[in-house]
Amino acid sequence: DVKVTQSSRYLVKRTGEKVFLECVQDMDHENMFWYRQDPGLGLRLIYFSYDVKMKEKGDIPEGYSVSREKKERFSLILESASTNQTSMYLCASSWAGPSTDTQYFGPGTRLTVL
Amino acid sequence: TQLLEQSPQFLSIQEGENLTVYCNSSSVFSSLQWYRQEPGEGPVLLVTVVTGGEVKKLKRLTFQFGDARKDSSLHITAAQPGDTGLYLCAGLALGGTSYGKLTFGQGTILTVHP
Repeated sequence: DVKVTQSSRYLVKRTGEKVFLECVQDMDHENMFWYRQDPGLGLRLIYFSYDVKMKEKGDIPEGYSVSREKKERFSLILESASTNQTSMYLCASSWAGPSTDTQYFGPGTRLTVL
Repeated sequence: TQLLEQSPQFLSIQEGENLTVYCNSSSVFSSLQWYRQEPGEGPVLLVTVVTGGEVKKLKRLTFQFGDARKDSSLHITAAQPGDTGLYLCAGLALGGTSYGKLTFGQGTILTVHP
C-alpha cells in the first residue's frame, strides 16, 4: 500500500514563527504536492515538485516556500506564519507517466496560527 | 486557470434516499476523478473517468463523465450512514506536461441520517 505520512496531525504556532511541515512518501513517486484545505474552497495547490530539487508554484504560493532534497520527502515552509495561514494542510504524491492523475494523500496537518 | 464548480455544497438526507452531486466546468479535462474524504483523513480516490460519456459503477455509486469531458456527476442510490463524508471532484488538464496537477472542486459535504 502507498503510504504518505505527515510529521504532525496538529500544530499550534504564533504569528511570525517559522513553520516546517514535513511529508514523506514510501512509493518512489516522482510528483509531490502541497495543498491547503479551507471550508467551501476545496483543495488549493500551494506548490508541487516533479523531481528532486525541482519545484513549481501552484495557485496560492504567496507566504510559502518548499524544499525537496530527497525524492521521498517534500517540505512546506511558512517563513513568517500569519493568522490567515490557519488551515488544514494536505500533502500528496503521484507517479509520473501516462496515467499520472491518481494522487495519494497524507492524513493532513491542522495548523493554527495565534 | 481551470475551474471546477461542484454542487451542492451541502447535502443532508435520510438513509435510503438517492442523491446526485454535480461537477461542472467550461474547460475540457483529460480525465476526471472523484475522491472521498472522512474527518481527520486525507482524500481517497473512488474512481477515474477518462472517456467522454463514460459511466462507471462502484456498488451503489454511479459516476458519469460528460460527452464533452467538461462535467461529471456522482449518483448514490439508497444512501447509507456510512456514505457520510466530503466528496471532491478533480480534473486533470489536457495536453502538455501537467505533472499530474489536478484542479479540485469545492467539495460536497454529505450527511446521511439513520
